[in-house]
Amino acid sequence: GAGVSQSPSNKVTEKGKDVELRCDPISGHTALYWYRQRLGQGLEFLIYFQGNSAPDKSGLPSDRFSAERTGESVSTLTIQRTQQEDSAVYLCASSTEGGQGYEQFFGPGTRLTVL
Amino acid sequence: AQSVTQLGSHVSVSEGALVLLRCNYSSSVPPYLFWYVQYPNQGLQLLLKYTTGATLVKGINGFEAEFKKSETSFHLTKPSAHMSDAAEYFCAVSPIKAAGNKLTFGGGTRVLVKP
Repeated sequence: GAGVSQSPSNKVTEKGKDVELRCDPISGHTALYWYRQRLGQGLEFLIYFQGNSAPDKSGLPSDRFSAERTGESVSTLTIQRTQQEDSAVYLCASSTEGGQGYEQFFGPGTRLTVL
Repeated sequence: AQSVTQLGSHVSVSEGALVLLRCNYSSSVPPYLFWYVQYPNQGLQLLLKYTTGATLVKGINGFEAEFKKSETSFHLTKPSAHMSDAAEYFCAVSPIKAAGNKLTFGGGTRVLVKP
């Protein structure tokens, strides 16, 4: 069956530009997560969606970062006025529910490079 | 706040030898515990998890891990390494009493398997 998909797979942008990253979760998964993986580091939590609402945005690093989810499906992570420190792989994950212990299924990620 | 420490960013093992990857967590309450594997150019895949019950957990591909509350550890082992085990491994935790299933990851351990 189809897993979590993300697009684009790679994105190169210039400092100061805005970017949008897309995540298509597994159909029927109500919970959706965004993580960031900077080079040589572990994954950092960014935001969690339950349905279309985001009860936990605590990981968003600045107000340049925002995310939305529509139709309890697709999610978009937007980074405004990108900076070089935003360069990272952005990973999306989904799970059946947002309850504790449920497995999160990860997409292949979007590699963002800010020049 | 929770944190996860993986001892050793790189581990080299010979094919057929024991694989031991160490993970220690810091949390006021024992969390849920996970090990994920990331193969080159692929997304993260769940190897195993501990939520409740037996503290020795068996996962896919012959891996297992043991939760030791007194040592705040969740080390991952495999008796005999195979070339296909070359990948990066991440230990992660999530809080038990919290909405969602936000994962906090360790820094990762890259495993090299020598023939």
